[in-house]
Amino acid sequence: AQSVSQHNHHVILSEAASLELGCNYSYGGTVNLFWYVQYPGQHLQLLLKYFSGDPLVKGIKGFEAEFIKSKFSFNLRKPSVQWSDTAEYFCAVNPYGNNRLAFGKGNQVVVIP
Amino acid sequence: GAGVSQSPRYKVAKRGQDVALRCDPISGHVSLFWYQQALGQGPEFLTYFQNEAQLDKSGLPSDRFFAERPEGSVSTLKIQRTQQEDSAVYLCASSLLRGIDQPQHFGDGTRLSIL
Repeated sequence: AQSVSQHNHHVILSEAASLELGCNYSYGGTVNLFWYVQYPGQHLQLLLKYFSGDPLVKGIKGFEAEFIKSKFSFNLRKPSVQWSDTAEYFCAVNPYGNNRLAFGKGNQVVVIP
Repeated sequence: GAGVSQSPRYKVAKRGQDVALRCDPISGHVSLFWYQQALGQGPEFLTYFQNEAQLDKSGLPSDRFFAERPEGSVSTLKIQRTQQEDSAVYLCASSLLRGIDQPQHFGDGTRLSIL
């Protein structure tokens, strides 16, 4: 079945540590890729997106993600996290040609001050 | 307000009851989406509207689920004869235009608990 996989559902790290969250998908063909973030008590909001072009995408709040087509991956990174990055992070894939988003299960990230 | 508004925020119903969940999208947004998010899972697509037209309802899990957007703005998701597995957060999202390149703006969701 087509799916979006996110591993290490719970991540705990200290401020200033580097963060990398993996995302792999199993859809063939052209896809659009997204990372969404949900801060405690808030709604889902878009962190960054990739449609085409440079496979290294920069988003808000110092986050970036790299699309590696051969690995069907779209990993999220931040070199130095802050306490305010505590949130749940969702990878989402849009297979080309339709409007639906397919989400992964999410990564719950806790940053300890 | 400026964002997507969903009501109620919380809904508790007994198994077998019908429920109706409301979504007020951002004014002028053409596209509207409903997602279901079970505990510990990511959101799962239910249905998509472009204005008043329901263009994709392939994610609705059964014929007990029904969604409408009669005037192309407010949308209602109705669940008939609720069952315990319907317990989830129901998310609504809207985007300005059609097309996936338009960012989807999410509401806070309705948390539905079926007893």
